[in-house]
Amino acid sequence: DTEVTQTPKHLVMGMTNKKSLKCEQHMGHRAMYWYKQKAKKPPELMFVYSYEKLSINESVPSRFSPECPNSSLLNLHLHALQPEDSALYLCASSQEGQGDPDTQYFGPGTRLTVL
Amino acid sequence: EDQVTQSPEALRLQEGESSSLNCSYTVSGLRGLFWYRQDPGKGPEFLFTLYSAGEEKEKERLKATLTKKESFLHITAPKPEDSATYLCACFTGTASKLTFGTGTRLQVTL
Repeated sequence: DTEVTQTPKHLVMGMTNKKSLKCEQHMGHRAMYWYKQKAKKPPELMFVYSYEKLSINESVPSRFSPECPNSSLLNLHLHALQPEDSALYLCASSQEGQGDPDTQYFGPGTRLTVL
Repeated sequence: EDQVTQSPEALRLQEGESSSLNCSYTVSGLRGLFWYRQDPGKGPEFLFTLYSAGEEKEKERLKATLTKKESFLHITAPKPEDSATYLCACFTGTASKLTFGTGTRLQVTL
């Protein structure tokens, strides 16, 4: 089973709202990722958690706040977003073993619209 | 800086018309090259991982190959359900992350 689940599927929020995106995997993977994807563009890496510790932060604005409660769950907390933050937010996970880089498996995404 | 370039940007094929998609890379220390398929509004679906030049992998109508400078995704006798955006991504030792190409949008018509 290579399933990564994300909730909600769609989210519409105002610029003053606080909301959270959730991601879950049950593959025993120890690395989890948040990507942002704009229309007709490739995914852009935002954050990487490896063994529940933040290991890569691609200089993302502080209005995005990641959280990894345990090795199966990943949250992205959103606060005071701007309309340009509207995008498809993707979660991914990988084994994070030794040697060759592991395949990242992506969830279906959350379509976020900021009004 | 690592660069991954895909061509063509868009490709329209008739059903059964075989073709190839190209992924050229200029990266420091390639550790793996990944192919994904993405349908509109959905997350990328993993297809193949290639680790070394000369490696080939096949799955149904798709075959991926890797050289020291590029990778090809060959599509044999495509069907309309193969219509999607195909993304390649390189994992390098220096960046420790996936660098994606901009994708090839494939449309297969009857």
